[in-house]
Amino acid sequence: QKEVEQDPGPLSVPEGAIVSLNCTYSNSAFQYFMWYRQYSRKGPELLMYTYSSGNKEDGRFTAQVDKSSKYISLFIRDSQPSDSATYLCAMSPLKVFNAGGTSYGKLTFGQGTILTVHP
Amino acid sequence: KAGVTQTPRYLIKTRGQQVTLSCSPISGHRSVSWYQQTPGQGLQFLFEYFSETQRNKGNFPGRFSGRQFSNSRSEMNVSTLELGDSALYLCASSWTGYPPTNEKLFFGSGTQLSVL
Repeated sequence: QKEVEQDPGPLSVPEGAIVSLNCTYSNSAFQYFMWYRQYSRKGPELLMYTYSSGNKEDGRFTAQVDKSSKYISLFIRDSQPSDSATYLCAMSPLKVFNAGGTSYGKLTFGQGTILTVHP
Repeated sequence: KAGVTQTPRYLIKTRGQQVTLSCSPISGHRSVSWYQQTPGQGLQFLFEYFSETQRNKGNFPGRFSGRQFSNSRSEMNVSTLELGDSALYLCASSWTGYPPTNEKLFFGSGTQLSVL
């Protein structure tokens, strides 16, 4: 069983719809949770970042974390065709190095959900 | 501010060869991480470097190695290439500080490696 499970979709929605993307995880050490968006032939781009249970909102995007259920979600309101991409959840414990600051360089990613928003 | 730069963008090699990929982090970023992305396995962590030292390592064979230079630029090397090494190799950089701050990991566009 993978540490992070994400429904790969694909997911197809009409423009203006509310999109819900989800990941579950099994490693209780994960403290930092991120959502990345990846367009074709590009590297992942960070959308949302949170380290606590609850909701975090940024424009049309809301990230939700429920550590008790080991479940995270990303909601996209008023979806646009430009939102069509692969969405990846990622998570990490945080390591602190006395000599070298902090690091969560080792992210564990979900498989990614392919989202298409059609006009 | 320039983003993470990876070269080359595309690479074609044959089995048994070796390859070196290059990554220039965002100016001021001292941590560089490498990831492998394939359709079957998704994104998998290879290793992380900070101040020329490897401080995190994923579960990849010893054929995969890397290094970081004093200017934070990094290279990764894959020796004795196998067909299964065909993938998008992504480099990511971050600023690390103490105490913990709101760090973010920024990715380059990757090097697409095809092994024939």
